[in-house]
Amino acid sequence: DSGVTQTPKHLITATGQRVTLRCSPRSGDLSVYWYQQSLDQGLQFLIQYYNGEERAKGNILERFSAQQFPDLHSELNLSSLELGDSALYFCASTPAPGSPLHFGNGTRLTVT
Amino acid sequence: QKEVEQDPGPLSVPEGAIVSLNCTYSNSAFQYFMWYRQYSRKGPELLMYTYSSGNKEDGRFTAQVDKSSKYISLFIRDSQPSDSATYLCAMSAWGQGAQKLVFGQGTRLTINP
Repeated sequence: DSGVTQTPKHLITATGQRVTLRCSPRSGDLSVYWYQQSLDQGLQFLIQYYNGEERAKGNILERFSAQQFPDLHSELNLSSLELGDSALYFCASTPAPGSPLHFGNGTRLTVT
Repeated sequence: QKEVEQDPGPLSVPEGAIVSLNCTYSNSAFQYFMWYRQYSRKGPELLMYTYSSGNKEDGRFTAQVDKSSKYISLFIRDSQPSDSATYLCAMSAWGQGAQKLVFGQGTRLTINP
């Protein structure tokens, strides 16, 4: 168990809908990363937060947004969902930049 | 050209064999090198973390980094069926207040009993 908790484990929703994925980092970790993993794309970096502030952005769509709260948990919001958004979404945390990432078990999103 | 190249496999070997997994990279700014193991429907699990060129050993696993050739390897000795998973290399560089972390595509490994 990595100590990173993601909820929900599975999510099935329809196109056009909006969902929120939640992540609780390991105790003491200030940095949170979000990744998307689909079969043909591998792990794609979406966004990073450090102690509540956005630090880096990857290939995150404008329909997607995230935030990190004062208690350090993070939420990833996905809106106007499309079939192609179906994927595994992983959250990872580290105590400080440069340290290795520890991943949660992901949220499997299915858009129908 | 991708910053990190990793053969996706699949790779299938008999139990007890030595497995060699490799990645090449193009960005000389990468300073930290990692190997993750990912079982089906699970999150990636950190296996090895190295900073410098050379070898690092942990039980049956050895990570090797050659910065001059921009090449990293993971060796698994006495492979077991429980080692069957996807192995991802990852490397990172720190700069401008942020860490850039890039993953390889992952190599799917099957160890046959």
